[in-house]
Amino acid sequence: DAGITQSPRHKVTETGTPVTLRCHQTENHRYMYWYRQDPGHGLRLIHYSYGVKDTDKGEVSDGYSVSRSKTEDFLLTLESATSSQTSVYFCAISESSAGTEAFFGQGTRLTVV
Amino acid sequence: GQQVMQIPQYQHVQEGEDFTTYCNSSTTLSNIQWYKQRPGGHPVFLIQLVKSGEVKKQKRLTFQFGEAKKNSSLHITATQTTDVGTYFCAGHYGNKLVFGAGTILRVKS
Repeated sequence: DAGITQSPRHKVTETGTPVTLRCHQTENHRYMYWYRQDPGHGLRLIHYSYGVKDTDKGEVSDGYSVSRSKTEDFLLTLESATSSQTSVYFCAISESSAGTEAFFGQGTRLTVV
Repeated sequence: GQQVMQIPQYQHVQEGEDFTTYCNSSTTLSNIQWYKQRPGGHPVFLIQLVKSGEVKKQKRLTFQFGEAKKNSSLHITATQTTDVGTYFCAGHYGNKLVFGAGTILRVKS
């Protein structure tokens, strides 16, 4: 398996609190992605990064922000968690934007109560 | 925005029956990828198709890329219980990797 680690693996938080999820890779891949997975919606792209300090929005970015201060770490922050953000979050990495496979982390199950 | 539509959403088959999932993109793709996610697991890359009309096989799995490079399919012959899971197609749109909603496959033994 590719060296990609998500933390925490599980988290329960209260509505209105900030939450940060971490994705750490040891592959030196340029691209990193954050997805959320919900029944019936598959994997929806939240934000992605194409280099250090280079990030952009995906299709469901409202309520989320990201940061990438170094190649190996991509942080996803929920500024003020809402119940609609209860989901399983996956981080993925890939070497390039096309033509290479993406490797996924184990996922973080986030519950907002 | 770019969209990848995938059908069906669910498929229950008897062990030994065939299974097919279809994927359509709103725009032409440079390539299409397929992933499998076992229950409780994370998506794992299966294959990538690049050429118009390309067909690739992995044992009982056959992958096709349409002539217009806007659609693709995954066909499993004689399903087994080990095939259960969710199958996703994914396309690259610039720097984005966009996934379809996936097809959940259940196999009755």
